[in-house]
Amino acid sequence: AQSVTQLGSHVSVSEGALVLLRCNYSSSVPPYLFWYVQYPNQGLQLLLKYTSAATLVKGINGFEAEFKKSETSFHLTKPSAHMSDAAEYFCAVSEGFNQGGKLIFGQGTELSVKP
Amino acid sequence: DTAVSQTPKYLVTQMGNDKSIKCEQNLGHDTMYWYKQDSKKFLKIMFSYNNKELIINETVPNRFSPKSPDKAHLNLHINSLELGDSAVYFCASSQGHGDTQYFGPGTRLTVL
Repeated sequence: AQSVTQLGSHVSVSEGALVLLRCNYSSSVPPYLFWYVQYPNQGLQLLLKYTSAATLVKGINGFEAEFKKSETSFHLTKPSAHMSDAAEYFCAVSEGFNQGGKLIFGQGTELSVKP
Repeated sequence: DTAVSQTPKYLVTQMGNDKSIKCEQNLGHDTMYWYKQDSKKFLKIMFSYNNKELIINETVPNRFSPKSPDKAHLNLHINSLELGDSAVYFCASSQGHGDTQYFGPGTRLTVL
């Protein structure tokens, strides 16, 4: 079965600093990988998605993620954090067609941004 | 225009009651899902429907019964509510398996 591990339940950075949120996955087939963001008391919003077209994926709000098959990683980065980036971030892998395309989520990483 | 909507947003009820949560999507998607987010913010799939047909039932107690009257709607009915059912329930939809899932705003259920 596929699984996702997010290293660090809480990450704190200063405004303007690099954001790095780590995600490792396990999958026996080429995966679909996603990063979602959840702001307080809101639903999940897609940041970006990997579908094997390119290993470096650019998303919304200046975020990007790099797929590294050898490391089974899909880490999320942003060069310069903004106060509005404070939220919960989820990495997810999509099960294959035979599993109905369900998303398997990591535990989430709460990002805090200090002024 | 809200893509995936859920009602109600908040639901507070007593143990043993029966309640329903409604979900509608106007994206024309074929597949809809229910996820549960617990108090530690962990998200887990409950059900998936494709064109009104149940595809996934992720070992959810049979007190939970999804119903899809048409492919734009997926409702969740919960019988005999228990304290452990307290959570945020999210509806989502996608065009197909592996496609981007679009989430609703969530329904916060509190069982007293």
